[in-house]
Amino acid sequence: QKEVEQDPGPLSVPEGAIVSLNCTYSNSAFQYFMWYRQYSRKGPELLMYTYSSGNKEDGRFTAQVDKSSKYISLFIRDSQPSDSATYLCAMSGEETSGSRLTFGEGTQLTVNP
Amino acid sequence: ETGVTQTPRHLVMGMTNKKSLKCEQHLGHNAMYWYKQSAKKPLELMFVYNFKEQTENNSVPSRFSPECPNSSHLFLHLHTLQPEDSALYLCASSQDFGELEYFGAGTRLSVL
Repeated sequence: QKEVEQDPGPLSVPEGAIVSLNCTYSNSAFQYFMWYRQYSRKGPELLMYTYSSGNKEDGRFTAQVDKSSKYISLFIRDSQPSDSATYLCAMSGEETSGSRLTFGEGTQLTVNP
Repeated sequence: ETGVTQTPRHLVMGMTNKKSLKCEQHLGHNAMYWYKQSAKKPLELMFVYNFKEQTENNSVPSRFSPECPNSSHLFLHLHTLQPEDSALYLCASSQDFGELEYFGAGTRLSVL
């Protein structure tokens, strides 16, 4: 079983739709959760970063963590064609332990005008 | 730009060639990483350097040889690669080991 599971898609939505991207994980030690966005032919760029459970909002993006279910989500409101990219979830345990990031496979999203 | 620069952006090489990938970070970070990204697979960590010292080598074949002359520069020396080594090679850096990572744009490598 993979430590982090992420549906690779592809996911195709019309412009303006609400997009939900999800990851599940098995390691209960994970406490730091990140979402990276990767455009074609580019490296991943950090989009959202959350610690422990709860929600974090940044413009049209909301990151949600449910540690009890070992489930994280990224919501994109009013999706735009420029949001078309691959979205990678990543997570790690305590920073002080120097634990490493574990990535999901990435979900490929296309927003159609 | 994230402050992490990789060159070249694209590289085509034969199985008998020797080439090197270069990464430079302008962020003052202490840790640098090499990742391999293949289609339909999660990012695979290859090497980690923390304060110029290699701290991790995830069972990477010896045909990949990293070098970190200082905390701003990282190289990946390649020799006698195989076609299955074709992938996007990403460099990343973080303030310290285990903290948020910032990625370069990657080198798209094709081995013929």
